[in-house]
Amino acid sequence: EVQLVESGGGLVQPGRSLKLSCAASGFTFSGFPMAWVRQAPKKGLEWVASISSGGAVTYYPDSVKGRFTISRDNAKNTLYLQMDSLRSEDTASYYCARRQVQLRVFDYWGQGVMVTVSS
Amino acid sequence: DVQMTQSPSYLAASPGESVSISCKAIKSISNNLAWYQEKPGKANKLLIHSGSTLQSGTPSRFSGSGSGTDFTLTIRSLESEDFAVYYCQQYNEYPLTFGSGTKLEIK
Repeated sequence: EVQLVESGGGLVQPGRSLKLSCAASGFTFSGFPMAWVRQAPKKGLEWVASISSGGAVTYYPDSVKGRFTISRDNAKNTLYLQMDSLRSEDTASYYCARRQVQLRVFDYWGQGVMVTVSS
Repeated sequence: DVQMTQSPSYLAASPGESVSISCKAIKSISNNLAWYQEKPGKANKLLIHSGSTLQSGTPSRFSGSGSGTDFTLTIRSLESEDFAVYYCQQYNEYPLTFGSGTKLEIK
């Protein structure tokens, strides 16, 4: 059974940093691209970052480019999201998602972790 | 960016009825469109990709249609488990973008 479990969320002040983790199990982690998607309170879904199966290629929307860094450790079956220079508008639930190999769709999602950026 | 306009934002229906949700892209995305289901306390579920291809495990009462800029998710014979929020997502180009969601509630 595919499982994605996020951790590392919490309350952080504007301008500070936070690092999220996603522990993957139930599939060959190194064989799949991965991504982070977020959802602000009462809002829709927003794609935040993607990474190739080997970790060499990453993509970000302009809203987080230069502030967020996605990475992975295939030996530990873990996905990360380093979030720097956090803003109030980054307040959201952050979801780890497995991307299909051929298509840029997300076939498994975690339950999410809440990040609140506030002073 | 490819903006996705989803409608309606809210839909009320009764079990057994059929409903349709629309998703429109500001420019052609070929058939590179997916639909997801969101339910409280559960992980999001991929229902359909490539505009009309059911993901493994998606009940056959779900169907997707469209290509280019206009897409539709149809659910026939609604069951109680179908009442949820539905999102479309284009994956034709980066940044990947989602529609604003449609909340399907029991009438």
